[in-house]
Amino acid sequence: KAGVTQTPRYLIKTRGQQVTLSCSPISGHRSVSWYQQTPGQGLQFLFEYFSETQRNKGNFPGRFSGRQFSNSRSEMNVSTLELGDSALYLCASNLGLSGGTYQETQYFGPGTRLLVL
Amino acid sequence: GEDVEQSLFLSVREGDSSVINCTYTDSSSTYLYWYKQEPGAGLQLLTYIFSNMDMKQDQRLTVLLNKKDKHLSLRIADTQTGDSAIYFCAESNTGTASKLTFGTGTRLQVTL
Repeated sequence: KAGVTQTPRYLIKTRGQQVTLSCSPISGHRSVSWYQQTPGQGLQFLFEYFSETQRNKGNFPGRFSGRQFSNSRSEMNVSTLELGDSALYLCASNLGLSGGTYQETQYFGPGTRLLVL
Repeated sequence: GEDVEQSLFLSVREGDSSVINCTYTDSSSTYLYWYKQEPGAGLQLLTYIFSNMDMKQDQRLTVLLNKKDKHLSLRIADTQTGDSAIYFCAESNTGTASKLTFGTGTRLQVTL
């Protein structure tokens, strides 16, 4: 079974531009989560999509948005890029089940490294 | 809000045991995880523990959970140079694995 894939792997943009990152989850996984990793702030949760709906949201400004398609693939968009948006953006997928003692595990992709100049 | 803390750095000699510690504040944590990140790579899930357990062993890895003190540890037996990486603990309080709060990460250096 293929793992989580993210495209592109590397990206360079300039301030004020916008960027779209893509994530393909593991086949059968309906939940896709996005995280931002920076040296200063560490790993921070951006948002989660399940069945094309945003189910959880972190504390990021509205410039960060996402969506999920019917095949569970997800995209995240950052508008009006700032220097501080330079980071490794990680996508993760899991089945999206909740409740009970069923143990869920989340699998991460390799990330997209974004550099804003 | 939730907060997860780890020490920044640990150095051990090859063949010794490593113990990486983590403390968390959220008393409603349901699942706790350990992830490994090698340079330039994403996160690899190592192991996890449900909050009603106090220990879990998985080959060279042993996870201990002290729920009263909100303390989690990962012990790696017979540490190898390939274990050199950053280790993150993470917790979930939503009942799913979809929204994780991560610790600051502990860089493990294994020396010969």
